[in-house]
Amino acid sequence: NAGVTQTPKFRVLKTGQSMTLLCAQDMNHEYMYWYRQDPGMGLRLIHYSVGEGTTAKGEVPDGYNVSRLKKQNFLLGLESAAPSQTSVYFCASSYSAGTRGGTEAFFGQGTRLTVV
Amino acid sequence: GENVEQHPSTLSVQEGDSAVIKCTYSDSASNYFPWYKQELGKRPQLIIDIRSNVGEKKDQRIAVTLNKTAKHFSLHITETQPEDSAVYFCAAIDIWGYSTLTFGKGTMLLVSP
Repeated sequence: NAGVTQTPKFRVLKTGQSMTLLCAQDMNHEYMYWYRQDPGMGLRLIHYSVGEGTTAKGEVPDGYNVSRLKKQNFLLGLESAAPSQTSVYFCASSYSAGTRGGTEAFFGQGTRLTVV
Repeated sequence: GENVEQHPSTLSVQEGDSAVIKCTYSDSASNYFPWYKQELGKRPQLIIDIRSNVGEKKDQRIAVTLNKTAKHFSLHITETQPEDSAVYFCAAIDIWGYSTLTFGKGTMLLVSP
């Protein structure tokens, strides 16, 4: 049981290049999330998905796109990378919150992205 | 949407002392409040959580208290140890956004031997 796995762990991009970050979870979770973590800014939600085939914008969605073609995978794409997207990216997943209002989010190990 | 404020941003204590981290939230309808610990270079991991129908929850040296009227909740760590050194994040559920978590900016806790 691997939990939440992110690929790759590190990446350096040149400005204008594109890339895709892959997140995979084996816990059959409905919800998946992409966060970015910057010093002093905490974890900010980029996009999220409440089920296969659905996606929604979070707090900081500009410059990113996502897709959830399979329940276990959530992809984050950068079409034209900018230095402002240098950050540590975390994927997370959780069970459907439902009326209980929230359940534990399990995080991947993170991807450190540098855009030069 | 939800807004979560966390204080202090850094906290230094001596081993054996207690540490308290405080958070406030804006949406009175929020009903789930987790705390995550992130060690250097690692992923955030849940250490304790509380739901709005409970005022306090304890797990060994860690406790969380919730004041719904004042819209604030706190993490209490007693008998701190050097391995407690990490960044701690509070969060609250944003029930208007399909129940996504909104995080505070984090508190770096340093426990000196």
